[in-house]
Amino acid sequence: DTEVTQTPKHLVMGMTNKKSLKCEQHMGHRAMYWYKQKAKKPPELMFVYSYEKLSINESVPSRFSPECPNSSLLNLHLHALQPEDSALYLCASSQDLGSAMNTEAFFGQGTRLTVV
Amino acid sequence: AQKITQTQPGMFVQEKEAVTLDCTYDTSDPSYGLFWYKQPSSGEMIFLIYQGSYDQQNATEGRYSLNFQKARKSANLVISASQLGDSAMYFCAMREDNTGANSKLTFGKGITLSVRP
Repeated sequence: DTEVTQTPKHLVMGMTNKKSLKCEQHMGHRAMYWYKQKAKKPPELMFVYSYEKLSINESVPSRFSPECPNSSLLNLHLHALQPEDSALYLCASSQDLGSAMNTEAFFGQGTRLTVV
Repeated sequence: AQKITQTQPGMFVQEKEAVTLDCTYDTSDPSYGLFWYKQPSSGEMIFLIYQGSYDQQNATEGRYSLNFQKARKSANLVISASQLGDSAMYFCAMREDNTGANSKLTFGKGITLSVRP
């Protein structure tokens, strides 16, 4: 199983809503990532978890709150988002950090988020 | 300064022909890895090929090969025998060793490839 599964695939939410994005992998990877991607742009790193601990927070606004309940799951909790937060949110996983350089990241299909 | 540069405008190639997608990078770290990803309209980022800075030979994976010119700091992707399914956005990315436990991928802006029948 070399899949990273993200749910939901599409999400429309109001600016006062609270929602969560979910990501799951069963490859035994110990590093998991959240990226934000606007149309026709490269992915922008948001958060990195290593061994279930937050390793990198790229100065992301607090309305985005990550959570790693266990080594297979990664959540992104959303609250009071703005329309400019509408984007494709990609989850990825890799073996671990600081190991071999060729540790490729496996990506999920993403959640297309629209904030209205 | 940008770490990964992809400057080509949208690329077009005839089916069954080869195409080269350009990528240059900037790093002072002697140890780094270079990656190419494909992103079709469905959104998933698909890993294609990897080249390590110390690798003596150019990487190949099926129809994909990487033309690695270390002195020029370029890592161009060559796709042979293009197929209609190759139409997608292609991203070059780099991981530097100096980030250690905070290792992360830095992506270029991407190139859109369209394969014509």
